[in-house]
Amino acid sequence: GAVVSQHPSRVICKSGTSVKIECRSLDFQATTMFWYRQFPKKSLMLMATSNEGSKATYEQGVEKDKFLINHASLTLSTLTVTSAHPEDSSFYICSASITGSVSNQPQHFGDGTRLSIL
Amino acid sequence: QKEVEQNSGPLSVPEGAIASLNCTYSDRGSQSFFWYRQYSGKSPELIMFIYSNGDKEDGRFTAQLNKASQYVSLLIRDSQPSDSATYLCAVNMRFGAGTRLTVKP
Repeated sequence: GAVVSQHPSRVICKSGTSVKIECRSLDFQATTMFWYRQFPKKSLMLMATSNEGSKATYEQGVEKDKFLINHASLTLSTLTVTSAHPEDSSFYICSASITGSVSNQPQHFGDGTRLSIL
Repeated sequence: QKEVEQNSGPLSVPEGAIASLNCTYSDRGSQSFFWYRQYSGKSPELIMFIYSNGDKEDGRFTAQLNKASQYVSLLIRDSQPSDSATYLCAVNMRFGAGTRLTVKP
């Protein structure tokens, strides 16, 4: 159980393109999902907390207009990187916890999306 | 000071030995502590979590938590080459930089 599906797994596109990444909880409902970014050989950096039916909570330094998050249902959150540039190239990973108490429950991660902006 | 700190390694141990991974954290009020394993190019996968002071054992893995010292560790007994990966410590939602472990046959 507790499977999180993330799609696409890899994106290569031109500078200026907007890219949408989907994160789905397949066998449970997730009122809260999390979006992380990871640079090579670096740790995961929490970007934002995605809340079903309400606005996402962004971490300090993360541009909300650049990284649009939508959590329209209990099983789907999307991250859109708008007008992507080469510096946005990174490994993006989503996660979710099974229960509503998110800070003290293990996270189940999607397989990640490797974004490369040319 | 970083919220969650780990020795980046690399840590190298021979097959069959005990690997000891350490993590310290800054928020004294932290309640939940997790260890994840991440293979290169893959997402993290949960190994263990611990909430209370003391030891928690699961197979070859033992997590140790000392809230007074703000310290959490992971011991891997009978290390196998397949254990070679980066081990991430997470405190609440914050991750350390990870320790790269290599188990040599």
